[in-house]
Parts: sequence; C-alpha cells; structure tokens
Amino acid sequence: EAGVVQSPRYKIIEKKQPVAFWCNPISGHNTLYWYLQNLGQGPELLIRYENEEAVDDSQLPKDRFSAERLKGVDSTLKIQPAELGDSAVYLCASSPGLGWSYEQYFGPGTRLTVT
Amino acid sequence: AQTVTQSQPEMSVQEAETVTLSCTYDTSENNYYLFWYKQPPSRQMILVIRQEAYKQQNATENRFSVNFQKAAKSFSLKISDSQLGDTAMYFCAFMKPGANSKLTFGKGITLSVRP
Repeated sequence: EAGVVQSPRYKIIEKKQPVAFWCNPISGHNTLYWYLQNLGQGPELLIRYENEEAVDDSQLPKDRFSAERLKGVDSTLKIQPAELGDSAVYLCASSPGLGWSYEQYFGPGTRLTVT
Repeated sequence: AQTVTQSQPEMSVQEAETVTLSCTYDTSENNYYLFWYKQPPSRQMILVIRQEAYKQQNATENRFSVNFQKAAKSFSLKISDSQLGDTAMYFCAFMKPGANSKLTFGKGITLSVRP
C-alpha cells in the first residue's frame, strides 16, 4: 500500500512569491492534516480536514495561507506571498478517522526555503 | 492548553545498549493519550508506541517500552538493544479525546546510536 505522497520534496523561492504544496493521502483515509515543522521543533497543526470539510483551521494564518481538499482526497496548501519566516518543513498526514485510536500516517514533507 | 516538554536535545547510545528518553507534559485532563513518534533523517515520521492514560499497564512494542507515571505527568521511552536504525529524532506527543482532538508535540530529541 502506498503511503502519504507529498510534492515537491524541496522548494526554494524568493520572498513575496507564491508557493503550493500537494498531498495525496493513503487511499480511504478520510482525515487529512497539514503540519508546520520548524527546525529543531515538533510539528504544529495548521489545518485538519474531515473529508472535504476543514474542521480545524484555527492555527492557519489566513492572511497568507490557504488550503483546499477537493473531493475529499488530494489536498493543496498555498502560501501567497511567502515570507522569510515561512522557511520550514510542511508535513501532510492522514488517518482513517478522527481521534486518538486512528494512527496518523505522515508523508516525507516538503522543505521550503524562502530567500 | 496542553504542553509537552522534552528537555534533552540530544542523546547518544552504544549499539546493543539501552537508552531512556524523557518526556513530561502538563494537562488538567484526566483522560488522554500519549505517543512517541520517530522521525529518521529521511523525515517520514512513524508511530513507535502509544499509551492510554486510563491504563495503568505500561505499553510495550518489541524493543520499545514506556514508563508512564500519571501523577508525575511523566512519559519516558526505553529502547532496549539499540540498533543503528534507531538513529532518529524522537517526539513525545499528547492528545486529548474528543471531536477536536489533535496531537501536541514536544520539541523532540535527537538520538544517535554509535556502532
């Protein structure tokens, strides 16, 4: 079974440019998460989807970040415009359902460098 | 709000030896769940072990076991017979149950296994 797929793996952009990250969760997983991981820190939740509905986006900086999960499968996270402080790893995870008993499966992440 | 503290930034252990990674947390909840995640240099994070707070028995998974001290709010991970493949960052995480449950991660600890 294929795991969570993310692309690109690495992205270097100049500040003020837009950038988008793509995530394909494990087939059949209804819940999808986007995390931000700064260097030397643990992941922090940005947004969580249950099917196509964003059920928790309280930590998403909505002035520059947006996300969508069309048809409740793939998801895209966008930053526009990017700032130097956005340099980090963006992780996507999926799980069969919502709650503690459902293990979250993580993708390899996208490492973003903003220059 | 819940907090998870991992005060040791780095640890090193000789192959085949045993190592213990520390984690403390703060919460006013009585029912919750604790996890240890492993993130190898390739950055794909995987679940190592989990513990339900209502269970007194410590969880074990092959060479991995936990020492869960609920009163002290301590949740340490013991790795026995350390292997080179155990080299990774290890994150302690907390989750409270409910519709809005989410993982709260500590800062992580870098474990190096020496040959």
